[in-house]
Amino acid sequence: AQSVAQPEDQVNVAEGNPLTVKCTYSVSGNPYLFWYVQYPNRGLQFLLKYITGDNLVKGSYGFEAEFNKSQTSFHLKKPSALVSDSALYFCAVRARRYNFNKFYFGSGTKLNVKP
Amino acid sequence: DTEVTQTPKHLVMGMTNKKSLKCEQHMGHRAMYWYKQKAKKPPELMFVYSYEKLSINESVPSRFSPECPNSSLLNLHLHALQPEDSALYLCASSPGLAGGTDTQYFGPGTRLTVL
Repeated sequence: AQSVAQPEDQVNVAEGNPLTVKCTYSVSGNPYLFWYVQYPNRGLQFLLKYITGDNLVKGSYGFEAEFNKSQTSFHLKKPSALVSDSALYFCAVRARRYNFNKFYFGSGTKLNVKP
Repeated sequence: DTEVTQTPKHLVMGMTNKKSLKCEQHMGHRAMYWYKQKAKKPPELMFVYSYEKLSINESVPSRFSPECPNSSLLNLHLHALQPEDSALYLCASSPGLAGGTDTQYFGPGTRLTVL
């Protein structure tokens, strides 16, 4: 079965410090992995994705993610957090279901960046 | 331009009303999606249209009726809803590429309240 786990409901970090939001996955076949961010009462904004190639993926707003096949992880990182990064973050894996590719979302991690 | 637009932003309806949600994209995407999202939860897939044909219906109650009039438009017709249907309804689109590497782009959502 395809699944994504975000083990932390909430992550707290001080502004200027590095941040990590964790994601692990379970999927048969090649994993196509995505990160989205959601601000209150807004839709999901695409941050970055891993399809193939370099394990370190760079995305929008200074975020990056590291694909680790042996640990089946795809953690989101940023070297220096901003208060404006405070939001809900979703990891997703795209996997084959019947004749279509479906997104499986993690449960979400609320990131709080304190001044 | 990666914009998906949704109208209305907010909708309040009674259980006997009929209303419609509208979604539009002009990115030439051939796959469009409806999701339902409860507060602080991940989006739940409802329907997928691929090349204007309904590809997936995730066992959604018949009081929700999707329609895809053309490749740029997606509607969700609502009738006889229940209070538990109150949620943020998100529309998304993706290019419709084979192989699972599609990125989905989300609209801002319609906040629906059923009284």
